[in-house]
Amino acid sequence: DIQMTQSPSLLSASVGDRVTLNCKASQNINKNLEWYQQKLGEAPKLLIYYTNNLQTGISSRFSGSGSGTDYTLTISSLQPEDVATYYCYQYNSGNTFGAGTKLELK
Amino acid sequence: EVQLVESGGGLVQPGRSLKLSCLASGFTFSNYGMNWIRQAPGKGLEWVASISSSSSYIYYADTVKGRFTISRDNAKNTLYLQMTSLRSEDTALYYCARRYGSYGGFDYWGQGVMVTVSS
Repeated sequence: DIQMTQSPSLLSASVGDRVTLNCKASQNINKNLEWYQQKLGEAPKLLIYYTNNLQTGISSRFSGSGSGTDYTLTISSLQPEDVATYYCYQYNSGNTFGAGTKLELK
Repeated sequence: EVQLVESGGGLVQPGRSLKLSCLASGFTFSNYGMNWIRQAPGKGLEWVASISSSSSYIYYADTVKGRFTISRDNAKNTLYLQMTSLRSEDTALYYCARRYGSYGGFDYWGQGVMVTVSS
């Protein structure tokens, strides 16, 4: 089974900061990776599909990149409404979510 | 407007069964693969099961294989999850989610239904 490791598990940043969240797969997942945002008490929301494709309606300050085993979600300028837990998800082989990165304001 | 509304959750004793439903509206249900994804209290997301649009392809997480059955009724726009031999570790909020093609992500989610397995 493919394991997905997200880092850091907790990230504190200030409004306006450029924020980078990481996701590492235990083997090559061929860019078959998605990112989800989950705010407290809400269902998850799709942000990025197939590594770098922005879901319709999602702010362009979110972007994704990566290949092979290493993937990144970047928020170009952190906003208060971005406080949430972020999950990566691979579907290249099986279906695995990472444990999440909790993003808070400093 | 796309809507997914789960139902059927509740408190159940270990070893018993429960069937969840997810009623879809606002889109052509028979054109989309569907999934169940769960989240234990205070924990992360866990993919549980998926079913293709015509029920031809069905997959399960190892943690539920042999105990859970995913199914759908396209005439009723409804997705199901039959859960048997429930364990305490199955306690979670269960979400149904639409899959937009093979690469398009889980683009719509329900609000979830809580399942608590306890004696």
